[in-house]
Amino acid sequence: GEDVEQSLFLSVREGDSSVINCTYTDSSSTYLYWYKQEPGAGLQLLTYIFSNMDMKQDQRLTVLLNKKDKHLSLRIADTQTGDSAIYFCAEEEFYFGSGTKLNVKP
Amino acid sequence: EAGVAQSPRYKIIEKRQSVAFWCNPISGHATLYWYQQILGQGPKLLIQFQNNGVVDDSQLPKDRFSAERLKGVDSTLKIQPAKLEDSAVYLCASSSRGGSTGELFFGEGSRLTVL
Repeated sequence: GEDVEQSLFLSVREGDSSVINCTYTDSSSTYLYWYKQEPGAGLQLLTYIFSNMDMKQDQRLTVLLNKKDKHLSLRIADTQTGDSAIYFCAEEEFYFGSGTKLNVKP
Repeated sequence: EAGVAQSPRYKIIEKRQSVAFWCNPISGHATLYWYQQILGQGPKLLIQFQNNGVVDDSQLPKDRFSAERLKGVDSTLKIQPAKLEDSAVYLCASSSRGGSTGELFFGEGSRLTVL
């Protein structure tokens, strides 16, 4: 469970959808999380998904989980400039990815 | 409800000096975590406490790092002696329930620069 990988950067225009991807290695993980970190701040939990689910939707956020490929994604609909931040996926509370910096252009 | 409090926010020291960070978790939260976040990387778990007992410290460099949680509330993380590679943000988080079922609440972190 130590290798959680994410792409480093994503740039989108305001109003578009953003999709942030993550791959993980530990198939025994029960929960997978998405966190948001704004400059100079701690991490804020956005959403999570149980390992026995394929999809979870929460307002503008949609999480997709492909257990076979150990692939997790976060889709943000109607992305706003306030969504600009670094997004981390995490296996349980133990292993975090390096983060994807989302830049939203007006 | 007050969030997770950490101090100091910033600390600059020279290598081989010592430093201590303090964390006050959300009231009533039994589980407390310390993470190290190096610039450009995700948080790395250093130690997890359940009340005042250590649950996991497998990634804590015990030759120089130590942590304690007296009375199951506040916690301190100490580095002695510091090395250049210890430059990072040290994040404290707490949870009402340990393991995978509780939301983690993070503090703003303590940024350490070792010269």
